[in-house]
Amino acid sequence: GAGVSQSPSNKVTEKGKDVELRCDPISGHTALYWYRQSLGQGLEFLIYFQGNSAPDKSGLPSDRFSAERTGGSVSTLTIQRTQQEDSAVYLCASSSSPGLTSGTQYFGPGTRLLVL
Amino acid sequence: EDQVTQSPEALRLQEGESSSLNCSYTVSGLRGLFWYRQDPGKGPEFLFTLYSAGEEKEKERLKATLTKKESFLHITAPKPEDSATYLCAGSNTGNQFYFGTGTSLTVIP
Repeated sequence: GAGVSQSPSNKVTEKGKDVELRCDPISGHTALYWYRQSLGQGLEFLIYFQGNSAPDKSGLPSDRFSAERTGGSVSTLTIQRTQQEDSAVYLCASSSSPGLTSGTQYFGPGTRLLVL
Repeated sequence: EDQVTQSPEALRLQEGESSSLNCSYTVSGLRGLFWYRQDPGKGPEFLFTLYSAGEEKEKERLKATLTKKESFLHITAPKPEDSATYLCAGSNTGNQFYFGTGTSLTVIP
């Protein structure tokens, strides 16, 4: 079956421009996560959706970052007025609904963002 | 504060030389301990989930174990194709995931 897909795979933008990153989760997965991975760093949690709502937005680095999810499926991460420090790989993951245990996350290939 | 720490940061092994990677965690009400493999330029690939101390899981040359404070990923007789970065993550009662910074494994033929 289809895995998690992300688009674009690569994005080069100029400082100050806005960018939108898209994530298509595995069909039927209700939980969706966004992470940021900078060179040589671990995965930094950004935001988590359960269905269309985001119970945990604590990881968003600043108010320039926002995310939404519609129809319990596709999610978009938007970065406004990009800065050079936003350059990183943005990873999306989805999982089945967590219960007493957390569902395993399955990751997409990532979007490599370079801000010039 | 919930966190996950992996060691060593990097590991070089000769082909066939077995070893273990360590993942120490302090995660409140651990709901899952996850191991992933990440190849350069790709997203993490799921390997194992462990839920309770004493649990073990195996897949080919890899075996993951879990105690109340740490998890180990044992690699038996590794091959060059096992070269990758191995990531560990723990999830807490709020379903928040905490990732370590990974161990970069290089297996030399």
